[in-house]
Amino acid sequence: EIVLTQSPDFQSVTLKEKVTITCRASLNIGSSLHWYQQKPDQSPKLLIKYASQSISGVPSRFTGSGSGTDFTLSIDGLEPEDAATYYCHQSGIFPWSFGRGTRVEIK
Amino acid sequence: QLHLQESGPGLVKPSETLSLTCTVSGGSITSNNYYWAWMRQSPGKGLEWIGHIFYSGNTFSNPSIRSPVTMSVDTSKNQFSLKLSSVTTADTAVYYCARLDGWLADYWGQGTLVTVSS
Repeated sequence: EIVLTQSPDFQSVTLKEKVTITCRASLNIGSSLHWYQQKPDQSPKLLIKYASQSISGVPSRFTGSGSGTDFTLSIDGLEPEDAATYYCHQSGIFPWSFGRGTRVEIK
Repeated sequence: QLHLQESGPGLVKPSETLSLTCTVSGGSITSNNYYWAWMRQSPGKGLEWIGHIFYSGNTFSNPSIRSPVTMSVDTSKNQFSLKLSSVTTADTAVYYCARLDGWLADYWGQGTLVTVSS
């Protein structure tokens, strides 16, 4: 099974600051890496698909990059509603897997 | 707007079968464009993909899930279902159903907590 290692586990960030979350895959998954945002008591919401493709309705401050084994989610200018846990997810190799998440808190 | 809703018992005894149904509204489960998936989330294992099914009955499931997985579709009710047999406490989790667009889940249900306990 592909292991996705996210870092950091937790980040406390000031409003308007830039946030960077990384996800490293244990094998090459091409660009089959997606990012989700989950708030307490809610289901995950798709933010970025296939490493860097934007999703309709998601603010443009969320961007993704990377390929192969190393991926990054960036939030360019943190807003109050961005406090959440962020997960990477790979669907390139069965069985599909998720990272353990990065919790972002507003400082 | 597509909406998915999980339903089923919130408490299951160890060694019994966990059964959940996902009702899809705002779209047809028989669309040729989508698979329909089950995921779960627990504090111990985080998010896990359980498996997915096409309306024709074609399925893919995660071999890392120890409890045997069965998925089915009821096109007359626009529903799909999940069964995990011989469950243990390790199967305690919030279970989500979702739509797969390509190979990613774009719409998720709200989730339902299933506790395995005697």
